Amino acid sequence: DAKTTQPPSMDCAEGRAANLPCNHSTISGNEYVYWYRQIHSQGPQYIIHGLKNNETNEMASLIITEDRKSSTLILPHATLRDTAVYYCIVPYNQGGKLIFGQGTELSVKP
Amino acid sequence: EAGVTQFPSHSVIEKGQTVTLRCDPISGHDNLYWYRRVMGKEIKFLLHFVKESKQDESGMPNNRFLAERTGGTYSTLKVQPAELEDSGVYFCASSQQRYAGELRETQYFGPGTRLLVL
Repeated sequence: DAKTTQPPSMDCAEGRAANLPCNHSTISGNEYVYWYRQIHSQGPQYIIHGLKNNETNEMASLIITEDRKSSTLILPHATLRDTAVYYCIVPYNQGGKLIFGQGTELSVKP
Repeated sequence: EAGVTQFPSHSVIEKGQTVTLRCDPISGHDNLYWYRRVMGKEIKFLLHFVKESKQDESGMPNNRFLAERTGGTYSTLKVQPAELEDSGVYFCASSQQRYAGELRETQYFGPGTRLLVL
């Protein structure tokens, strides 16, 4: 299973774009990259996922490098409610367990 | 569409007692997962059901934990007897059945059950 590495914490000003990086250098060709977040005391929340093309939904954009060894989650206009721990995950064996690392603790400040 | 629900939201029990947690997945989701976060640690996988069958129970910490999913709908996780180190938040998640040619791995989580063992 591919491991991921993320910075432990980041700050972002309210209204600005938050760019959260993730390295997954051991990812294999058919493994997806998933992003989840956990807002304090709530269950993890699915954000977005991708294979090799960039993806966008109502919550965020996901930019995956051409070699697929890293990706960036972009929250285009961060709000205070986006303060959370963000997890970059490559699901084990396609359909199995999610391995949550430490994630990136994003603090959005006014 | 209702999301994943968990009951109870909180439980406080004494060491040695038994507690049963319940998870109702999103309707039609064949995959059901249990995870937990104990104090100060990362969220850890416990086990995975596909319908009523245990697909992967590699994360179950010991034989004090018993998970069931009779009929392939809701699931229960029983801890008997509970120990202090079992305190934490227990999350349930569900996803649709994967079918050939496309991955359906997006897991949707419930709000969790906060368990405190005294």
